Amino acid sequence: DAGITQSPRHKVTETGTPVTLRCHQTENHRYMYWYRQDPGHGLRLIHYSYGVKDTDKGEVSDGYSVSRSKTEDFLLTLESATSSQTSVYFCAISESLGINQPQHFGDGTRLSIL
Amino acid sequence: QKEVEQDPGPLSVPEGAIVSLNCTYSNSAFQYFMWYRQYSRKGPELLMYTYSSGNKEDGRFTAQVDKSSKYISLFIRDSQPSDSATYLCAIPYGQNFVFGPGTRLSVLP
Repeated sequence: DAGITQSPRHKVTETGTPVTLRCHQTENHRYMYWYRQDPGHGLRLIHYSYGVKDTDKGEVSDGYSVSRSKTEDFLLTLESATSSQTSVYFCAISESLGINQPQHFGDGTRLSIL
Repeated sequence: QKEVEQDPGPLSVPEGAIVSLNCTYSNSAFQYFMWYRQYSRKGPELLMYTYSSGNKEDGRFTAQVDKSSKYISLFIRDSQPSDSATYLCAIPYGQNFVFGPGTRLSVLP
C-alpha cells in the first residue's frame, strides 16, 4: 500500500468554523491531490500540488485553500465551513504526470458540518 | 453531458456470476483508461489500466475499451463475495483525472 496517511479520519464541526485536513505521504511523490466524494458526483478535484509551494485549483475549489510547505505534507483548509462541505475527503498522490501514471489514495476523512 | 458516466447500481449478483461494469465517455481525446476498486470506508485502489482498444486480462478481471463507441467495460469472472465494492472508471487527462461516479457491486454467497 502507498504510504498515505490522512488525519483526522473523522471530524464533526459547526458551520462557520475553520477546518484543516492533513495528508502525509512517505513515498516522496511530487504530485498530491485533494478530492471530495459525494453520492451521485463521484470524486471531484478540489486542489492539487505539483511541488512544494506549487498548487493549482481543481473543479470545486471555492471555499477551500491548500498549502504545501514540505514534499510530504499537503493541507486542505476550509476557511469557513458550510453544510455543503459535508463530504468524504480523499488525498491522492502520484509519482509523475503522464497518462499511464496512476493516483494512489488515502483512506479518507469523513467531515460533517452541522 | 458529464464527461464520464456510469450506472450507479447497486448491482447484486450471485457468487460465481460473470459481472459486467461499464462506463461511457464523451471526449474522444481520452486515450488511457483505468479501473479503481473502492471498499466501504476505504480509498480507491487501482485495479487495472489499459491504453488501446481491445481487451486486457489480469486474472479474473478483463478490461475492454471500444474507442469508436467511447465505451469501456470491466468484466469479472467467477465473482466472489470479496469483489463486493464500488468500481470507478478513471481517465487521466492533462494534469488530472476524470472519474466516473462508480457502480456499487454486491456479490452474494
